Amino acid sequence: QKEVEQNSGPLSVPEGAIASLNCTYSDRGSQSFFWYRQYSGKSPELIMSIYSNGDKEDGRFTAQLNKASQYVSLLIRDSQPSDSATYLCAGFNAGNMLTFGGGTRLMVKP
Amino acid sequence: GAGVSQTPSNKVTEKGKYVELRCDPISGHTALYWYRQSLGQGPEFLIYFQGTGAADDSGLPNDRFFAVRPEGSVSTLKIQRTERGDSAVYLCASSLNGAASRIPLSSYEQYFGPGTRLTVT
Repeated sequence: QKEVEQNSGPLSVPEGAIASLNCTYSDRGSQSFFWYRQYSGKSPELIMSIYSNGDKEDGRFTAQLNKASQYVSLLIRDSQPSDSATYLCAGFNAGNMLTFGGGTRLMVKP
Repeated sequence: GAGVSQTPSNKVTEKGKYVELRCDPISGHTALYWYRQSLGQGPEFLIYFQGTGAADDSGLPNDRFFAVRPEGSVSTLKIQRTERGDSAVYLCASSLNGAASRIPLSSYEQYFGPGTRLTVT
């Protein structure tokens, strides 16, 4: 079992809809979580960080963390075609490394 | 300001050859990380530097891989006797701080360079 699991997708949503991306993790030592967006052929770009239980909102993005359920999610409101990319969930623990899931491919259709 | 830079952007080498990949982190970032990403997968950790020292090299796959950061800034990942299975995108990331301590958690955020695509033929 991988330490960070994501559905590979593709997740297809219509333009303007809410995209919901989910991630589960097995290492209870993970302290913080990050969402990266990766366009095809490009490197990961940090879009959200979450450090404590609950919700964190930044523009159209909301990250949610539930440490009891070992669950992290990213909501993208008013999805745009430019949001089409692979979204990587990563956990950070005291070992100072990021452990990534395999990524979820999001497709936003006009 | 300038982000993380990596050179070369692409490297094609023959099996058995030696390669060096370079990473220049964001100015002022003390922590530097190397990851490797294969097609369709998330990045996998290779090695982490805090300053000049390799604080964690547990992700290096074998002794053909080695990395240095002699002055606490630029890092070089070295691969000896390359194999076709080494083909991947090698990503470098840096963060303001890496050590777990009572500092803002945002200082652990890692920012990636554009990567070096290594192809071993």
